[in-house]
Amino acid sequence: DTGVSQDPRHKITKRGQNVTFRCDPISEHNRLYWYRQTLGQGPEFLTYFQNEAQLEKSRLLSDRFSAERPKGSFSTLEIQRTEQGDSAMYLCASSLGWDTDNYGYTFGSGTRLTVV
Amino acid sequence: GNSVTQMEGPVTLSEEAFLTINCTYTATGYPSLFWYVQYPGEGLQLLLKATKADDKGSNKGFEATYRKETTSFHLEKGSVQVSDSAVYFCALSDYLSGNEKLTFGTGTRLTIIP
Repeated sequence: DTGVSQDPRHKITKRGQNVTFRCDPISEHNRLYWYRQTLGQGPEFLTYFQNEAQLEKSRLLSDRFSAERPKGSFSTLEIQRTEQGDSAMYLCASSLGWDTDNYGYTFGSGTRLTVV
Repeated sequence: GNSVTQMEGPVTLSEEAFLTINCTYTATGYPSLFWYVQYPGEGLQLLLKATKADDKGSNKGFEATYRKETTSFHLEKGSVQVSDSAVYFCALSDYLSGNEKLTFGTGTRLTIIP
């Protein structure tokens, strides 16, 4: 297992276009998380899944954002009608959950989105 | 709500110097505390963690002690190396209350010069 994979690594798009990012978690991890990191800031929580169920969404996740995790495996994050303020690094992480001794996230390398 | 306040950077030190990066937190429950490190071009990596008061997390020569009385989790290393140059994030999770998300500080950029 090579860890958490995110695709693409970089995305440049024009304002108003739709974009979709993909995250492949570590295969045995049932939790999957999305975070957004803007320049000079720490990551901010967007949403998380336990298996295929989306259990929590941040108020940062406007109606233009949607995330899915069909079949509890990979996840996609779609942003519709992108705005310049959406420019950020989008981070995905997975975990086994917090009821194990080895809890904690494994993060992917992120997708850097630039909206021009 | 939960929040993490982290020492602002950037921090520049000479090799073999002593490092302290301050972190304080506010939490409604009894959080677990973490330090993550982000090397250039890479994802966040867990550096160390502590789950209860007076626990000391340690890894790669870095240490941090969970101080409930001062709501702090300061990161220390006795002798830094050039390879420690990275951005360091303090974070908390109140998962025992069913809140699994991480709340991060703003990060501290550390540069070690030879």
